[in-house]
Amino acid sequence: NAGVTQTPKFQVLKTGQSMTLQCAQDMNHEYMSWYRQDPGMGLRLIHYSVGAGITDQGEVPNGYNVSRSTTEDFPLRLLSAAPSQTSVYFCASSLTTGRTFPTDTQYFGPGTRLTVL
Amino acid sequence: ELKVEQNPLFLSMQEGKNYTIYCNYSTTSDRLYWYRQDPGKSLESLFVLLSNGAVKQEGRLMASLDTKARLSTLHITAAVHDLSATYFCAVAQGGSEKLVFGKGMKLTVNP
Repeated sequence: NAGVTQTPKFQVLKTGQSMTLQCAQDMNHEYMSWYRQDPGMGLRLIHYSVGAGITDQGEVPNGYNVSRSTTEDFPLRLLSAAPSQTSVYFCASSLTTGRTFPTDTQYFGPGTRLTVL
Repeated sequence: ELKVEQNPLFLSMQEGKNYTIYCNYSTTSDRLYWYRQDPGKSLESLFVLLSNGAVKQEGRLMASLDTKARLSTLHITAAVHDLSATYFCAVAQGGSEKLVFGKGMKLTVNP
């Protein structure tokens, strides 16, 4: 298994540009999520999905869209990039939702470092 | 609104010493997680704590949970340099799938 993969690893955008951060997992995990990590802020949940076709907002969803058309993929779209979206983005997945089997571990991808100029 | 606080946020300690770090959370939750992050790397799951009084141990790390006090501790025994990392606790928002993370505790273990 490749686990959770994210592309690209690094990206530089200009203000107003759009882009999609890719996340894929090959473990048939039901639950997937996106976080952003900023210095001194910990990780903050952007969006999450409990299965194909089901998504919901996290703590900081503004400026981001997601969709989940397959179990494997959970892309994160930045509609019009802003400097405030400069961050490291992590995708994570777990076999089931935390409420089904709370002991399921969340596996994190390697991250995408995004800079918006 | 669930808030998760970790303290201390920075800790420098010598090898061989013991120390306890704390994670407080503001509302009832049914699960708490500890993660480790090495510089420039992703997060690695350490422990999942579900019930009051739960204790988990892995090597030199031991985590416990007191749901009544809304407090989890991560105890480090006889620290070694390899434990240098940032440690996060994350708490599930009651009745939902959302995890709220603390700001993380950067641990440096000096020889």
